[in-house]
Amino acid sequence: KQEVTQIPAALSVPEGENLVLNCSFTDSAIYNLQWFRQDPGKGLTSLLLIQSSQREQTSGRLNASLDKSSGRSTLYIAASQPGDSATYLCAVPGGATNKLIFGTGTLLAVQP
Amino acid sequence: GAVVSQHPSRVICKSGTSVKIECRSLDFQATTMFWYRQFPKQSLMLMATSNEGSKATYEQGVEKDKFLINHASLTLSTLTVTSAHPEDSSFYICSASPGLQKGAFFGQGTRLTVV
Repeated sequence: KQEVTQIPAALSVPEGENLVLNCSFTDSAIYNLQWFRQDPGKGLTSLLLIQSSQREQTSGRLNASLDKSSGRSTLYIAASQPGDSATYLCAVPGGATNKLIFGTGTLLAVQP
Repeated sequence: GAVVSQHPSRVICKSGTSVKIECRSLDFQATTMFWYRQFPKQSLMLMATSNEGSKATYEQGVEKDKFLINHASLTLSTLTVTSAHPEDSSFYICSASPGLQKGAFFGQGTRLTVV
């Protein structure tokens, strides 16, 4: 059974810092891995999607890496801003219907 | 990315009434959509998988007669909370995917308050 965990559970940093969020999964036979952010009271916004054959994906200040063999993905946020404050979730598809299996989430607070 | 639209964003209803929430994929077709529920400061909990043209698949512990799901077209799934009670008050979110290789996309969520 696939299990996805995220470290740290919460993170508070001053504005401008670079930071790394971690995601681990127990079954390396994944099709892809997706990173989302969720703002309070809102739905999930897709940030980056990494296919199993890829090592990393970049979008603006965000960079996500994937190491299937070690069961890890990282989300790197450069020059953090207060607007980056949100809960960040990683997820992998699993099961017969490819329903998403979510990580435990990282609550990020960027202090101005 | 693909767009999933959910409506309404907020609804307040009286105990005993039913509420319908719509989830639409605006620029792609989805044979499968997913419905989640989220309590404050908690993770998303998958309630059911909505299958176009067939019955939904419910997760263990979710009452199928309480949460009616209809997926009548490739772009629309609806969740109806029947005979709502205050304990049904929650945040409901749907998701759909244009294909496994393209990832999943989520609606804006619906805040249901039952009074």
